Amino acid sequence: EAQVTQNPRYLITVTGKKLTVTCSQNMNHEYMSWYRQDPGLGLRQIYYSMNVEVTDKGDVPEGYKVSRKEKRNFPLILESPSPNQTSLYFCASSLLAGGRVGEQFFGPGTRLTVL
Amino acid sequence: EDKVVQSPLSLVVHEGDTVTLNCSYEVTNFRSLLWYKQEKKAPTFLFMLTSSGIEKKSGRLSSILDKKELSSILNITATQTGDSAIYLCAEGSGGSNYKLTFGKGTLLTVNP
Repeated sequence: EAQVTQNPRYLITVTGKKLTVTCSQNMNHEYMSWYRQDPGLGLRQIYYSMNVEVTDKGDVPEGYKVSRKEKRNFPLILESPSPNQTSLYFCASSLLAGGRVGEQFFGPGTRLTVL
Repeated sequence: EDKVVQSPLSLVVHEGDTVTLNCSYEVTNFRSLLWYKQEKKAPTFLFMLTSSGIEKKSGRLSSILDKKELSSILNITATQTGDSAIYLCAEGSGGSNYKLTFGKGTLLTVNP
């Protein structure tokens, strides 16, 4: 089954404790992206990747890191989480067709709470 | 200033009504305009509109891109309670980057 998986689905942590949210897709998509969704602010792009070893900042990259060492995986790293990073996080992937980001497939989301 | 603006932010209708949702965007290196539907989980793709594909239709849903007005509309005819969701639009920029900028969404509630 074609899908994007994220782990963990729910996480409660404390300020400053490094964490990683994993994202994996099985559709051989070039493009992968991380978003956070907050009430009243909508979906905001954190980082994206056009292919292996190629990443770039979205609109809200501060406090986050990513890496793309394999095509299927795109982990999101919070080196020192803070309460303002409490949010619902989505990973997504898509093909790049004709120089455009195509239909994105979203993971189920990770609800992160930082105390 | 927001690059992608959706209106209205929320809308309540009765089953059978027709609704029109709006999305305006900036033109800087425009590549595509995408619509998604989000129920109580992850967004799901509806349409992608580009300069060469300005109108899409699927069942009761249709979307049009107005390149002159830098906007797009999503129409839903004969609404059903299952259409209740947040509808998101996103602009795909061009040039050397592949950013996607989403609007804040329109919350549609369809009452029986």
